[in-house]
Amino acid sequence: GAGVSQSPSNKVTEKGKDVELRCDPISGHTALYWYRQSLGQGLEFLIYFQGNSAPDKSGLPSDRFSAERTGGSVSTLTIQRTQQEDSAVYLCASSFTSGGSYEQYFGPGTRLTVT
Amino acid sequence: GESVGLHLPTLSVQEGDNSIINCAYSNSASDYFIWYKQESGKGPQFIIDIRSNMDKRQGQRVTVLLNKTVKHLSLQIAATQPGDSAVYFCAERGSGGSNYKLTFGKGTLLTVNP
Repeated sequence: GAGVSQSPSNKVTEKGKDVELRCDPISGHTALYWYRQSLGQGLEFLIYFQGNSAPDKSGLPSDRFSAERTGGSVSTLTIQRTQQEDSAVYLCASSFTSGGSYEQYFGPGTRLTVT
Repeated sequence: GESVGLHLPTLSVQEGDNSIINCAYSNSASDYFIWYKQESGKGPQFIIDIRSNMDKRQGQRVTVLLNKTVKHLSLQIAATQPGDSAVYFCAERGSGGSNYKLTFGKGTLLTVNP
């Protein structure tokens, strides 16, 4: 079946430009997560959406970062005025929130390079 | 803050050997732990999980051991194959109101030599 998809797979942008990264979660999953993975590092939590509840934005590193989830499905992560330290792989995951396991299914990620 | 970390950043084994990847965690309130496998260019893939009321769980060729006394988690891979080469992450789930949030370790790179 279809998994989590993300686009674009790679994005190169100039410092100061804005970028939008897209995530299509697995159909029926009510929870959606964004993570950032820097080279050789683990995953850093950014933001969590659950249904119609207010998102947990506690992991966003600065006010240049924002995310939306429209209609409880597709999500967009926006980074304004990109900086070189924003270069990383941005991973999206989705999950059910019942059943107890909360297993998160990850997309392939978007590799962002800020030059 | 709370953290999850790994003892060994890299592990190299011969094909057919058993592999053991270790992880230390610091949040004694965590009630759920997961191991993920991440191949190059892909997102992490769920391998196996374990709840804090268990000390061992087995899957296909993998076993996770949990020692709550010393806050230690390990992943054992039996008869390691070249396809097992990847970065392995342990993750712990937050407790209480943050039980959706996973905290990941930095990962261990497993290389399987043919």
